[in-house]
Amino acid sequence: QKEVEQDPGPLSVPEGAIVSLNCTYSNSAFQYFMWYRQYSRKGPELLMYTYSSGNKEDGRFTAQVDKSSKYISLFIRDSQPSDSATYLCAIQTSGSRLTFGEGTQLTVNP
Amino acid sequence: DTEVTQTPKHLVMGMTNKKSLKCEQHMGHRAMYWYKQKAKKPPELMFVYSYEKLSINESVPSRFSPECPNSSLLNLHLHALQPEDSALYLCAGGRGGSERAFFGQGTRLTVV
Repeated sequence: QKEVEQDPGPLSVPEGAIVSLNCTYSNSAFQYFMWYRQYSRKGPELLMYTYSSGNKEDGRFTAQVDKSSKYISLFIRDSQPSDSATYLCAIQTSGSRLTFGEGTQLTVNP
Repeated sequence: DTEVTQTPKHLVMGMTNKKSLKCEQHMGHRAMYWYKQKAKKPPELMFVYSYEKLSINESVPSRFSPECPNSSLLNLHLHALQPEDSALYLCAGGRGGSERAFFGQGTRLTVV
């Protein structure tokens, strides 16, 4: 079983839609969870960082962690064409090691 | 603006060449990372330096040789690469106990 699993999509939504992106993980000991956004041919950009269960909001973005289900989510409200990118979940799996999900490619259509 | 700067942005090299990728950060990150990313795949960890000492080496072939001259600089020396080594090479810095990583824009390497 992979440590981190993410549906690669692709996901295509109309402008203004609410987007839900999800990852599952295998080890209940994992504590630190991140979401990155990566535009084509660029480095990943840290969007959200959480270390406990519950919700964290930043503008149109909400990160949610459910440790009982080992499930993390990123919600994007009022999605914009500029949100079109690949979204990667990442989890600190041991020491200084970050393990990434496969990434979900999102397209927001005007 | 990125807190981590990588040079060069693009590099084309032959299989017999020796080249180096450079990474610089001035944010006091205590950990620095090299990742390799192939098209439509997530970043794969190659090396981690913690307090300027190599702490993780993910069984990377010896044709890749990392170096951390000081707390702000990280190099990746390349020698006798293969075409399948063509990829985006990403440097990242981490801070805090959680080691969330901040990435540079990467060097797009093509081996011919």
